[in-house]
Formats: sequence, C-alpha cells, structure tokens
Amino acid sequence: ETGVTQSPTHLIKTRGQQVTLRCSSQSGHNTVSWYQQALGQGPQFIFQYYREEENGRGNFPPRFSGLQFPNYSSELNVNALELDDSALYLCASSPGDRGTDTQYFGPGTRLTVL
Amino acid sequence: TQLLEQSPQFLSIQEGENLTVYCNSSSVFSSLQWYRQEPGEGPVLLVTVVTGGEVKKLKRLTFQFGDARKDSSLHITAAQPGDTGLYLCAGGIYGGSQGNLIFGKGTKLSVKP
Repeated sequence: ETGVTQSPTHLIKTRGQQVTLRCSSQSGHNTVSWYQQALGQGPQFIFQYYREEENGRGNFPPRFSGLQFPNYSSELNVNALELDDSALYLCASSPGDRGTDTQYFGPGTRLTVL
Repeated sequence: TQLLEQSPQFLSIQEGENLTVYCNSSSVFSSLQWYRQEPGEGPVLLVTVVTGGEVKKLKRLTFQFGDARKDSSLHITAAQPGDTGLYLCAGGIYGGSQGNLIFGKGTKLSVKP
C-alpha cells in the first residue's frame, strides 16, 4: 500500500509568482485535504476535496485554489505569492467523505517565498 | 471559531521522567486525534478518541478524552529520547463546511539521554 506522496519536496519562489503543489493520495482514499503549517504553528485547514468537488474551505483567500482529479490525486495552486505564504504545505488523504475521518499525511512541501 | 489550546508549548525533560500534555477547548468535538510530527515531515497519527471519558493506551502513551469531549490529555511514562518531537492534537467537527480538523499549535517535547 502506497502512502501519501507530495511533490516537490522544497520550492523557492519570489513574491507575485504562482505555484502548483501536487499530492497523490493513499490507495483507496477519495478525500484529500490541504493544510498550511507556518513555522512553530499547528497545521491550518485550507480546503478539502471529495470526489473532485470542494467539500469545505478554511479561512484562506481565493488566490488559494485546488483541484482533485479522477484518480483522487490533487493540486494546490497559489497565485500572487506573498512572503507570508512561506510554510510547509501538507496534504492528507482519508477514506471517506467525512473530513474528520482519520487523515494520513504526506511529508509536505516546504515553500519559501523571497 | 473553534480553538484548541495546547500546554505546555515546550517541554524539556530527562530520559525516564513522566510527562503530561494537555489539549483544551471551549468547543465540543466529535473526535480528537493526536499526532506526532518530526522536523521536515508530516504528522503521524498516534490515536483517535471519539467517546467522552475514553482512555486509550499505546505502549507507554496514555490518551484520555474528557467527559464533555472538550479536552484531552496525553501522558507518557518513562520518556525516551525517541519520544522527542512535536505533539499535535486535532479536533474533528462533522458536517458542512467545517468537515475538517482543527489543530492546536503543538507541544514541542525534547527528551535528553
């Protein structure tokens, strides 16, 4: 059984640029959630996708957007990057449509915005 | 806004000592999960508790969910250097746009040999 994988591992961008982060969910899981974890903080919920539809969104601006594909992999897109967007971005998959089912996290993508 | 407060924020102890980490909220959660996170990695699930008053044991770790499902604790007996890491609690809320986990800021534990 393959766990949750994320790419890239690290990324450096400059202010104003756009970035796409990718996540492959664990086999058999149809729900993907994205979190932002700033240094010294707990993860903050960005949004969740269930069967290719957004199924909940946290307090993040519209420049944070996402997609889920038929194979349940997912992308997180961030436009017009700001310095405060520097963080570890975590993807988590779960087997059901309830976002609070046990979630299995990937290793994260470390984004640095200069 | 649901918030989870974890305490202490930092904890540095010697190998063999016992410790307790607390997770408190004014909100009721349908479930509570504890994770451990190492630097540069994603959180790894330790346990999920769903019933008020529930106690779960995982080797030297004991997890308790409060009767009112607003708080939880993690107790580690005879801590070892391998227990070092960031311990996160996360509360689950079912339904609607809040189908997600609310995380605390974490307790950073350091166990020295």
